[in-house]
Amino acid sequence: QQPVQSPQAVILREGEDAVINCSSSKALYSVHWYRQKHGEAPVFLMILLKGGEQKGHDKISASFNEKKQQSSLYLTASQLSYSGTYFCGTHKTNAGGTSYGKLTFGQGTILTVHP
Amino acid sequence: DTEVTQTPKHLVMGMTNKKSLKCEQHMGHRAMYWYKQKAKKPPELMFVYSYEKLSINESVPSRFSPECPNSSLLNLHLHALQPEDSALYLCASSQGRFGDSPLHFGNGTRLTVT
Repeated sequence: QQPVQSPQAVILREGEDAVINCSSSKALYSVHWYRQKHGEAPVFLMILLKGGEQKGHDKISASFNEKKQQSSLYLTASQLSYSGTYFCGTHKTNAGGTSYGKLTFGQGTILTVHP
Repeated sequence: DTEVTQTPKHLVMGMTNKKSLKCEQHMGHRAMYWYKQKAKKPPELMFVYSYEKLSINESVPSRFSPECPNSSLLNLHLHALQPEDSALYLCASSQGRFGDSPLHFGNGTRLTVT
């Protein structure tokens, strides 16, 4: 099952903040976040592996609430270079507590940053 | 620069043609993937190879035939495709395939079936 992302689109001015959410109806082993610019390959941002884990990378950070099967991506003080489509990808947990080995992407959130 | 190289960048083929897409990585990754991406949609998993063996086939039609000749190379053989198969085909690799390793994507092959 595909994870659900919200919102579908966000428009920001430089310096503004944004939050993108990703939720699943199934238990998750990990959540990945990628950004894809038009005509380019998806680029890895971060992986969250443990429930309640938070990771940060410059002004982009993310959290993973294993219990709620949700992850959020936080973009602070946005820059023009942040524009693109953000995808969360999820690995479901199998009966043994690991993953099935299949990364399934959400439908994407289009982020546009204006000067 | 991407560390996963895909060729060709663009491919136009007729419905009766046979063609192949190629993917190469030299990062020592043991898992390799084919994804298909339609415009304004997320990448959809097609195949997963782990240690050169096919481990996942997402019920892909047999007109798509994957091959992993060695740990660095991944091919996708195409035969008798339909116009609806036109899409961006992305290859990716990762250190492991069980959710704790990031995927490194190539820039893709944009395929048009006429």
